[in-house]
Amino acid sequence: AQSVTQLGSHVSVSEGALVLLRCNYSSSVPPYLFWYVQYPNQGLQLLLKYTTGATLVKGINGFEAEFKKSETSFHLTKPSAHMSDAAEYFCAVSSYTGRRALTFGSGTRLQVQP
Amino acid sequence: EAGVTQFPSHSVIEKGQTVTLRCDPISGHDNLYWYRRVMGKEIKFLLHFVKESKQDESGMPNNRFLAERTGGTYSTLKVQPAELEDSGVYFCASSQGGVGYTFGSGTRLTVV
Repeated sequence: AQSVTQLGSHVSVSEGALVLLRCNYSSSVPPYLFWYVQYPNQGLQLLLKYTTGATLVKGINGFEAEFKKSETSFHLTKPSAHMSDAAEYFCAVSSYTGRRALTFGSGTRLQVQP
Repeated sequence: EAGVTQFPSHSVIEKGQTVTLRCDPISGHDNLYWYRRVMGKEIKFLLHFVKESKQDESGMPNNRFLAERTGGTYSTLKVQPAELEDSGVYFCASSQGGVGYTFGSGTRLTVV
């Protein structure tokens, strides 16, 4: 079984500040890991994904995430927040064998203060 | 390339009525998934089609939910009869093998 824990349902940062959204996962098999973003009144958009290889993954809009197997973590970061980053962010896991369905975390709503 | 299209975008129905949600995946995508998010909770998997066949329907909550995929193209998700706890946002996603999916904008279902 797989599970995802996102620490903090709401995170608030100032514009220009570091964004750090935390994600820890549990998986009995090597995982595929994802971050999705949902802007208001829009669908889920893939920010980045980790499958194999390099553990530091770069995504769109300046976001990146690092897969740390020893910590079972896949935290999302961005050096400098922009007002347009305000959205809800979801971490998700799937397995590379068998069931490909995504297991999502409960989401973190990011607020960016001017 | 057109994305994943879902309609309606919003639906408000009374308890006991029937509602049908539709998803048009990206053309050529064999894999089609349905997910649901109820009020502030996690987005949860409902089922997975490969072409017209149900590959995994372990997430379907009960027999009031019926999903079909005609000819391996578009898919419908019917809720009959709808209950209050069925309210939420229903997402569809598609992929052509590979890793990661393209999601639609979702259908917000409100049962009153």
